[in-house]
Amino acid sequence: KAGVTQTPRYLIKTRGQQVTLSCSPISGHRSVSWYQQTPGQGLQFLFEYFSETQRNKGNFPGRFSGRQFSNSRSEMNVSTLELGDSALYLCASSRGQSSYNSPLHFGNGTRLTVT
Amino acid sequence: AQSVSQHNHHVILSEAASLELGCNYSYGGTVNLFWYVQYPGQHLQLLLKYFSGDPLVKGIKGFEAEFIKSKFSFNLRKPSVQWSDTAEYFCAVNGNNNDMRFGAGTRLTVKP
Repeated sequence: KAGVTQTPRYLIKTRGQQVTLSCSPISGHRSVSWYQQTPGQGLQFLFEYFSETQRNKGNFPGRFSGRQFSNSRSEMNVSTLELGDSALYLCASSRGQSSYNSPLHFGNGTRLTVT
Repeated sequence: AQSVSQHNHHVILSEAASLELGCNYSYGGTVNLFWYVQYPGQHLQLLLKYFSGDPLVKGIKGFEAEFIKSKFSFNLRKPSVQWSDTAEYFCAVNGNNNDMRFGAGTRLTVKP
């Protein structure tokens, strides 16, 4: 069974631009979560989706947004990019309705560099 | 919201040494607890989890963790580490609010 697929693997953007990252969960998984990973802050929760509904959102500014489609695929968007947005963005899917009682399966991430 | 503290940033051990990585969390309600591992060049993967029942849980590759509710702790242990255990280890807590919180991670280096 294919794992969680994130595209693209690498992105280089300029300050002020916007970016869209994509995530395809494991087949049959309906819950998708997004995390930002940086050396200084570790993994920080962005948001979690189930059945196209956002279940929870972390403490990130409104420039960070996401959505989930009917096929469970998810996208996250970051507008007006800042240098501090440079990070590895991880997507994870889980079989259950949420990450509370269903382990996360992570993708390899999208490495975003903002210059 | 809950928070997670991992006490050790970087641990260096020789093969066959015993390992214990600390993890404490702050959350007043019921939690589910996880340890994830990231081997060099690989994605994060589940090592073990605790939902309920026996507070001593066993995971893959000989790892185990003990949930001590009174101490809000979920420490990871392995009696004898191998070089292949070199990785970064993350403790995670979910307090039934669809908000999985991760610790900052502990990098383990095992010297052959």
